[in-house]
Order: sequence, then C-alpha cells, then structure tokens
Amino acid sequence: DQQVKQNSPSLSVQEGRISILNCDYTNSMFDYFLWYKKYPAEGPTFLISISSIKDKNEDGRFTVFLNKSAKHLSLHIVPSQPGDSAVYFCAAGNTDKLIFGTGTRLQVFP
Amino acid sequence: DTEVTQTPKHLVMGMTNKKSLKCEQHMGHRAMYWYKQKAKKPPELMFVYSYEKLSINESVPSRFSPECPNSSLLNLHLHALQPEDSALYLCASSHEPTSALTDTQYFGPGTRLTVL
Repeated sequence: DQQVKQNSPSLSVQEGRISILNCDYTNSMFDYFLWYKKYPAEGPTFLISISSIKDKNEDGRFTVFLNKSAKHLSLHIVPSQPGDSAVYFCAAGNTDKLIFGTGTRLQVFP
Repeated sequence: DTEVTQTPKHLVMGMTNKKSLKCEQHMGHRAMYWYKQKAKKPPELMFVYSYEKLSINESVPSRFSPECPNSSLLNLHLHALQPEDSALYLCASSHEPTSALTDTQYFGPGTRLTVL
C-alpha cells in the first residue's frame, strides 16, 4: 500500500517552459511535505518543503502547492532548464514517519 | 562542509559474510538516518538516530545492526544477508533531532550493495 504516489513515472518538458510534477498522499496525519531531486550516482538533494498550515511555498524557480482537501501536492519549475533533468521524489510525513513517493523522471530538452 | 560521505561506494558480499557500511558528516547534525532503496522504488527509512541514540527502527530485520559511535559517524553492520537485501543504502543527516523526519535531510551518495 503506497501512501505517497507519483503517478507519472516520467515527464518531458521543453527548456523555458513550466514543469509540473504531481504527488498524492493518503494519510491525513501527514503534516509536512518535501521535494527532493536525485541525479544518477548521487543521493537525493533537498529542494523545497511545505507544512500543512500553508498552501504555497516559493523558492526561486520552484514553487510547491498543497491542496489538503485533495491530499495533493505539486511542484512547479519555471522556467525549466536542462540542468533540472533528474528524478524528483516527493516525501510526506510527520515527526514519526516519512514516506517517499516513487519518483518522477524529468527530462528538460532544448 | 555540507557533505555526507559514505564508504564503500560498492560492496559485494556473500550470505555468510560480515561487512559494515560507514557514513560520516561534519555539519554538526545530531540526527542521522539509514535508508534502503531498491531499483525503481522510493527510499525506505530503516533507522533514525537522534543525539547518538536509536530513536526509530522501522521493523528492520536483525541482520542489519546500526551503530552510532559518535555524533559524526553512523555505521550499518551487515551479517547473514539475503540476496533480496541487495539495494542502494543511503545515509542522511539533519540538524534538528526533535523534528528529525521533517527537517531537511542531507543525503550521501549511497553504497550499492550486492548480496550473492
């Protein structure tokens, strides 16, 4: 039973356009959400997070949106750059548990 | 220094071997973690250490034995593993143990383990 799902295993976006990565969770007790990026042969790198008291958090080109009623979060990257090509994991949890999603491979082409 | 290092990068072991994975950070973080990641799957939390004490064990089999000798080091001792234990083992650390799982975690590159 996957509590955190990323239903799109891959996404291809042209450079300069918006990349939207989606994530759904099932546990209403989750109150903190994070996005990590992973390049091959490296560990995941933290990107951005949001707590359940907010519905949006922005950091440069990255914005995370949280819809608690739908148990859905999304990561927007604008504008997308070739260096953004990586696997993106969302993670959801609280102080007792952290569950990672299955990942979405983003490919940004020129 | 914002790096978490892990050694070795690759490890091949037999089911009767005893080996250890090592993780080190010098960021002054007081929470450290072990994750297991199988191919095409998300990282799965195994253990959390807060202030050098084991705070979370996600029902990991006893053939995996973690150890935190000091605030900078985290080991994972392996004994009598099975081929299905082959995976990428990731170490991470974070600053704040009281909210460890929701604090930003810094990951090492992982050790790719193959059990024959």
